[in-house]
Amino acid sequence: GAGVSQSPSNKVTEKGKDVELRCDPISGHTALYWYRQRLGQGLEFLIYFQGNSAPDKSGLPSDRFSAERTGESVSTLTIQRTQQEDSAVYLCASSREGRGSYEQYFGPGTRLTVT
Amino acid sequence: DAKTTQPTSMDCAEGRAANLPCNHSTISGNEYVYWYRQIHSQGPQYIIHGLKNNETNEMASLIITEDRKSSTLILPHATLRDTAVYYCIVRDYNNNDMRFGAGTRLTVKP
Repeated sequence: GAGVSQSPSNKVTEKGKDVELRCDPISGHTALYWYRQRLGQGLEFLIYFQGNSAPDKSGLPSDRFSAERTGESVSTLTIQRTQQEDSAVYLCASSREGRGSYEQYFGPGTRLTVT
Repeated sequence: DAKTTQPTSMDCAEGRAANLPCNHSTISGNEYVYWYRQIHSQGPQYIIHGLKNNETNEMASLIITEDRKSSTLILPHATLRDTAVYYCIVRDYNNNDMRFGAGTRLTVKP
């Protein structure tokens, strides 16, 4: 079946502009995660959605970052007033449920470059 | 989550078994061991996970020691396409996120 998809695959933006990244999870997956991966580094957790529960925003690095998810479908990650340090690959993952016993499936990521 | 320790890099000959070790000496009883890999410029790919028992699927086998303080991921017949960074992650049953470390860079050589 279809995996996790993300769009755009690449985004180049000027410093100070807002960007919106999209994630389409696997159908039926109630849990959705956003991560950031800087060049040559591991993944940083950003935010987690589980069903209709309040999202876990503990990984968001600043108030310029926000994310929304409508029900158990599409999610958007918004970065306002982008800075050069925001340049990274933004990865989305989904899983059947949010518990640690369920594996996460990752999308291909969106490569964001802030100039 | 318990911290994991993996070798920085490993080489393996094509067609041979690749055995990737991971130490997680502070693992607790409700923490799972997960393995993912990331091929250059792609999102992480799930490989396998387990709690106490050894596990096997179409991709790999996971061997967890009896005290659960270490594990080994086994790719039985490595191919050039298995060249990737392999991440060992220990994740609590109730945790929301996956904490990826530096992983092991596996290079499969012809």
